Amino acid sequence: AQKITQTQPGMFVQEKEAVTLDCTYDTSDPSYGLFWYKQPSSGEMIFLIYQGSYDQQNATEGRYSLNFQKARKSANLVISASQLGDSAMYFCAMRLGFQKLVFGTGTRLLVSP
Amino acid sequence: KAGVTQTPRYLIKTRGQQVTLSCSPISGHRSVSWYQQTPGQGLQFLFEYFSETQRNKGNFPGRFSGRQFSNSRSEMNVSTLELGDSALYLCASSLEEGRGTYEQYFGPGTRLTVT
Repeated sequence: AQKITQTQPGMFVQEKEAVTLDCTYDTSDPSYGLFWYKQPSSGEMIFLIYQGSYDQQNATEGRYSLNFQKARKSANLVISASQLGDSAMYFCAMRLGFQKLVFGTGTRLLVSP
Repeated sequence: KAGVTQTPRYLIKTRGQQVTLSCSPISGHRSVSWYQQTPGQGLQFLFEYFSETQRNKGNFPGRFSGRQFSNSRSEMNVSTLELGDSALYLCASSLEEGRGTYEQYFGPGTRLTVT
């Protein structure tokens, strides 16, 4: 069965600093996708970044990068130069092909001035 | 392109009533998935429709049902509402062209309160 684990219920970071949000996953399927979503207090889930299991390089999207360590089954999200608007819940998720997204429990990030 | 839209955004219903939620996917997306989010259970998958057919189904009682129309718009229905159905219901659409794993894009959600 697929499982996503996010062990950090909350994280604090100062504006302009970098922060790493942890995510480990478990699956026996060799083909999968890993995703990070941001959920502000408004409720909408915003897609941030995607990493395929066969991708050789770590994914990057602007200030977001995914530190993909396949052997350790980890897919940590790195946010560089944090901004106040980054304060939100962050969810790591996994998908096998066209199956459902399986989400972790989320990490609440608070960015302080 | 317009994003995923969901209507209504907020709903208040009474126990025993039924409710219908609507979702319009991103243009060209043929897959629509529904998720329920509650503080206690987190994000749980309800079902997914692809080209008007239910392709995947989560572990929810039969009171939860859905359908997809030929224009890919989807509706979900909850009958005989219970207090525990109070949640944020999120709809997501995905391109799903050929093989591979595709990201899902979410709508703003419908917040349902059952009293």
